[in-house]
Amino acid sequence: GENVEQHPSTLSVQEGDSAVIKCTYSDSASNYFPWYKQELGKRPQLIIDIRSNVGEKKDQRIAVTLNKTAKHFSLHITETQPEDSAVYFCAASKGAGSGYSTLTFGKGTMLLVSP
Amino acid sequence: GAGVSQSPSNKVTEKGKDVELRCDPISGHTALYWYRQSLGQGLEFLIYFQGNSAPDKSGLPSDRFSAERTGGSVSTLTIQRTQQEDSAVYLCASSSQRQGFLFGELFFGEGSRLTVL
Repeated sequence: GENVEQHPSTLSVQEGDSAVIKCTYSDSASNYFPWYKQELGKRPQLIIDIRSNVGEKKDQRIAVTLNKTAKHFSLHITETQPEDSAVYFCAASKGAGSGYSTLTFGKGTMLLVSP
Repeated sequence: GAGVSQSPSNKVTEKGKDVELRCDPISGHTALYWYRQSLGQGLEFLIYFQGNSAPDKSGLPSDRFSAERTGGSVSTLTIQRTQQEDSAVYLCASSSQRQGFLFGELFFGEGSRLTVL
């Protein structure tokens, strides 16, 4: 089955700095890569996703890049703010066409943004 | 309802007892997932229901774990003869995806925190 590795497990940055979280996946058939944010005591929520037909996607201060050859994708947060502090999970799925869409998550990255 | 609802929110039980956790997905969502979240272990996939298809049970850690989904809506996760290592937050999620369609966003419930003494 799919295996998703996520690094780092914790990341501390100063407010205004950029943060990068990296993930690798094992199944070359995976074609959908979402990122979920889980604030302390809250449920995980989707913040951005990317499909295998594009290499990069941006939404305001967050962006995701995908390298299918290397089976590697990353989350980039610019101009970090204290409210960005949370646990971030990457995930991978075979998505469309396979009729089988279990989402495999990484172990998460705890991002701490200091004022 | 407006979102995914799970009950109980907290459950404390003694080792060896059976527990049932309930999930009420968003109305109309055909896909339903159970995940387990332990400290430092991320989101561990347990089971996936999609419409009337046979569920994907490949993530269930042992035969003490089972789940059912009645009428394509409410789901119950049952853990028999609970062990201390079963202590975790059990998260349910639903999605509007259908087979052959692009993957849809997962909407998570608040989770059921299980503590086995």
